[in-house]
Parts: sequence; structure tokens; C-alpha cells
Amino acid sequence: SAVISQKPSRDICQRGTSLTIQCQVDSQVTMMFWYRQQPGQSLTLIATANQGSEATYESGFVIDKFPISRPNLTFSTLTVSNMSPEDSSIYLCSVAGRGYEQYFGPGTRLTVT
Amino acid sequence: AQTVTQSQPEMSVQEAETVTLSCTYDTSENNYYLFWYKQPPSRQMILVIRQEAYKQQNATENRFSVNFQKAAKSFSLKISDSQLGDTAMYFCAFMKPYFGNEKLTFGTGTRLTIIP
Repeated sequence: SAVISQKPSRDICQRGTSLTIQCQVDSQVTMMFWYRQQPGQSLTLIATANQGSEATYESGFVIDKFPISRPNLTFSTLTVSNMSPEDSSIYLCSVAGRGYEQYFGPGTRLTVT
Repeated sequence: AQTVTQSQPEMSVQEAETVTLSCTYDTSENNYYLFWYKQPPSRQMILVIRQEAYKQQNATENRFSVNFQKAAKSFSLKISDSQLGDTAMYFCAFMKPYFGNEKLTFGTGTRLTIIP
């Protein structure tokens, strides 16, 4: 299994600002995923990030709000732009394993005031 | 679109007992994967067990086993000899293998509490 780290682990931000979350993997992976987990809820996929191509966004998520970078096979960033209190969530990145399972980072807890 | 349903929002069981968490899903696909993930209060998502739809044999991982009923679209998780460390949210997840878009669809979760 891959070892995944995320920065920051938590943050408190003011509305209208942006936060960039970093995801680092200890091995090269083709696909990385970004999920949102709203308070007390399940996980919802935001987008899939493949190295060398544009991220693929799920319905309800747009690039202007959640721009993603994938500069190499071990790193990705997710930016939450122009934040509002509704963006308060845990944001998790994951990578695909060989058997189609996914391994998750520890998550970033974001609170927007 | 695939949907995953977990009908038990919360469960509790005495330590050392056996507990079964339910999961049903809806899909028209024949080839897919099912997973159970555990999320303790630390919020780290941990893979518990994986089942491939084309395999009839139920997956097992130590104290964790599944009852996979493909025709009924049911995928329950059995935890034997439950331990305090099993206290967590448990999510059932579905994945259709499709290169470049192998996303997980999660159920709403079951909060499991192991009582000492």
C-alpha cells in the first residue's frame, strides 16, 4: 500500500479566501483522486487527476472552484477557491492500488468562518 | 449510475461479540469491485476488505469477512471477536473498473461502537 501525506492537516480560513491542499505519495501513481466529506456525511468524489492531462470533475464540481494540479506522478494539489462556510469539510486525496482499491491520505479538515 | 445503500446508521455490540453490517447496491454492471472501509475518529480511511464480483468465494481478512450475494446485490461485513479498536464509521463502496475513471461510490456509512 502507498503512504500518503497531506498538508495542512487542518486550517481555519475566512470566507472569500482560497486554500491549497497538498497531497504527496511515496511512490509513482497514475491516478489520484480528491474527495470531500462534509460534516457527518459520506465521501463524494470531486475529481480524478491524471498526470499530464486535465483533471476530470464530477457533476456539481467545477474547475474554477476547485482547481487541481498534477505536476508529476507523486504529487497533486487541490485549491478551494473563494471559500464560503458551506466549503467546511474534510478533503481527502487517494491513489489507486493494483487491485483497484484506493488508499487515502489522512485528510485536511477545513473550517470556513 | 450506481448507488450504495447502508440501512443501519448506527450499531453497537459488546466486546468479543460478532456483528454484521449491511450493504446493498444497485448496478447493471457485471464486472465490478466492492470494498469496506473503516474511518476511526482519527478520520483516516482504512481499507478493510475487497471483493471482486467475478469471484464467488467470499473474501476474508483475519476477523473480517463478507457475505457477497451477487444476485441479491448484497455485500455485508461480518466482524468476529469484536475489539474496542473496531469502533469507527464503516463505509461500503462500489467501483466499476474503467481506465481513467475508477471512482469509488460510497454508502452513507454505519457508525459502529464496541462496548467494553
